[in-house]
Amino acid sequence: EVQLVESGGGLVKPGGSLRLSCAASGFTFSSYSMNWVRQAPGKGLEWVSSISSSSSYIYYADSVKGRFTISRDNAKNSLYLQMNSLRAEDTAVYYCARDATSYNGWFDPWGQGTLVTVSS
Amino acid sequence: QSVLTQPPSVSGAPGQRVTISCTGSSSNIGAGYDVHWYQQLPGTAPKLLIYGNSNRPSGVPDRFSGSKSGTSASLAITGLQAEDEADYYCQSYDSSLSGRAVFGGGTKLTVL
Repeated sequence: EVQLVESGGGLVKPGGSLRLSCAASGFTFSSYSMNWVRQAPGKGLEWVSSISSSSSYIYYADSVKGRFTISRDNAKNSLYLQMNSLRAEDTAVYYCARDATSYNGWFDPWGQGTLVTVSS
Repeated sequence: QSVLTQPPSVSGAPGQRVTISCTGSSSNIGAGYDVHWYQQLPGTAPKLLIYGNSNRPSGVPDRFSGSKSGTSASLAITGLQAEDEADYYCQSYDSSLSGRAVFGGGTKLTVL
């Protein structure tokens, strides 16, 4: 079964840091681009970042550029999101999602999400 | 303000047909990027519903269909059922954002 499981969320003070992880199983992780998508409480989906299969191509939303770093370890079938200089507006459920194709692709599957709360 | 515009809410009675629009521009849907749709049931992660404008993944009922024309796309749900009550999101890509993924603001479907 294709599965993504996020971890690492929690409560952090403004200006703090957090590292999210996403463990993949049931598919050849090294063959797919991966994404982080977040959803603030009661709000819609916001794409955050993507990384190509070999980490050659990395993209960020303007809202997180310079503060967040996406990475992956294909040997460990894992995706990461290092979040620094966190702000209250970063409070959200963070989902990892597999990119179905290398271009114009859809996200499938999604993990169950991990909640990040930024508050003093 | 989302790059792709969806109505905040739609509603329909059981058995009826509803449509959800997703309006973009010449830099995203109109540029030829495909549109994908997701269903998010309350308290759960989004789930792929339609990919490549009009294709259904295995397991998605044929009551759900998608279409795309010009700078817009639509999701249609026929034979509305109570379990269809959820949030629905469209997704595409935008050339003005260097090809980054973009989502619509989401539409809450209420089954009356």
